[in-house]
Amino acid sequence: EIVMTQSPATLSVSPGERATLSCRASQSVSSNLAWYQQKPGQAPRLLIYGASTRATGIPARFSGSGSGTEFTLTISSLQSEDFAVYYCQQYNNWPRWTFGQGTKVEIK
Amino acid sequence: EVQLVESGGGLVQPGRSLRLSCAASGFTFDDYAMHWVRQAPGKGLEWVSGISWNSGSIGYADSVKGRFTISRDNAKNSLYLQMNSLRAEDTALYYCARWYQPAVAAFGYWGQGTLVTVSS
Repeated sequence: EIVMTQSPATLSVSPGERATLSCRASQSVSSNLAWYQQKPGQAPRLLIYGASTRATGIPARFSGSGSGTEFTLTISSLQSEDFAVYYCQQYNNWPRWTFGQGTKVEIK
Repeated sequence: EVQLVESGGGLVQPGRSLRLSCAASGFTFDDYAMHWVRQAPGKGLEWVSGISWNSGSIGYADSVKGRFTISRDNAKNSLYLQMNSLRAEDTALYYCARWYQPAVAAFGYWGQGTLVTVSS
């Protein structure tokens, strides 16, 4: 099983600041990496797939990078609606997908 | 509009069984692989199981292998999860999820989930 490790567990950021979230895979997943945002009481929402492609309707302030085992999600200027939990997920190892444990982005 | 509606959750005793369903609409169901993902209260997301469009390829998380069975009925646009020998640690909100696009295996569409509580 591919283990996904996210860091940090919690990120405290002021509105308007930049947030950088990390995700590491225990073995290469190529670019088969997605990022999701989840707010309380809601289902997750796909932000990024293919490590760097934004899903439809996702603002340009969200960007993803990386390949292989190291990935980054950057939120360039945090808006109030961006405070949430973010998960990475690998989908390279069909049909055994795995999620990271999540990073909570909170207001500083 | 893509819609995924889960049902079948509830309170069940340890060791008993439960069958979850996911009714899909708004897209051609048999064009897509489908998955189940769960989230225990206050915890993160856990992939549970996935099935290819034609049921030819199926996978399970180690935590449920041998106890859960995923299936689909393309004629009924429905996905199922048969859960046997349930344990307290299976308590979670269970989501069904669809690939974003036929060739993009990230989960672009999610239902609202159905809650399973395993307790005596």
